[in-house]
Amino acid sequence: GDSVTQMEGPVTLSEEAFLTINCTYTATGYPSLFWYVQYPGEGLQLLLKATKADDKGSNKGFEATYRKETTSFHLEKGSVQVSDSAVYFCALFPTGRRALTFGSGTRLQVQP
Amino acid sequence: SAVISQKPSRDICQRGTSLTIQCQVDSQVTMMFWYRQQPGQSLTLIATANQGSEATYESGFVIDKFPISRPNLTFSTLTVSNMSPEDSSIYLCSVGFSGGGNQPQHFGDGTRLSIL
Repeated sequence: GDSVTQMEGPVTLSEEAFLTINCTYTATGYPSLFWYVQYPGEGLQLLLKATKADDKGSNKGFEATYRKETTSFHLEKGSVQVSDSAVYFCALFPTGRRALTFGSGTRLQVQP
Repeated sequence: SAVISQKPSRDICQRGTSLTIQCQVDSQVTMMFWYRQQPGQSLTLIATANQGSEATYESGFVIDKFPISRPNLTFSTLTVSNMSPEDSSIYLCSVGFSGGGNQPQHFGDGTRLSIL
């Protein structure tokens, strides 16, 4: 079935460093792709999305581009802040399903 | 979007007891889901709550253990029955819309459950 694979964490960066969190997917069709963020002690918040190939989702300085040829949706940010410390989940709607399937999550720790 | 309120936000329960978690949405939504997030893990879908009918459970989850109700388009409950320490998790309510892939799901803040 459709699935999402994320790079393992934790990812530890210094403030203002460049961030990349890798996400690849397996799907029979062309699913919409999402990044969610979970701050400590909170639920999940939608960070950004892309619904078709070559779409770029962006929000709060984060970006991700839907790459059909590499089946990827990597999350990037040019300059991270301590407040970006959280767990990041890549997700998709599996073919024929109406509930999201999530990757394993990647914990980001940003040090001052 | 939708504002989702879950109650309780956390609880500590004794082994063998049951707890019911409530999920209230501020607007009518097409779909409601329940997820489990075990410590340090990703989210796993437990079931889809169907209005006025039995929930649709994912593989590995059964109605006797996780009974779900959805009496209307804005409210659902999940009961965790006969709890054991393995049930210690975050339980998250989520809502979806009829737009499918173009409309993302929204999540409540979750219920943090610890079983002693």
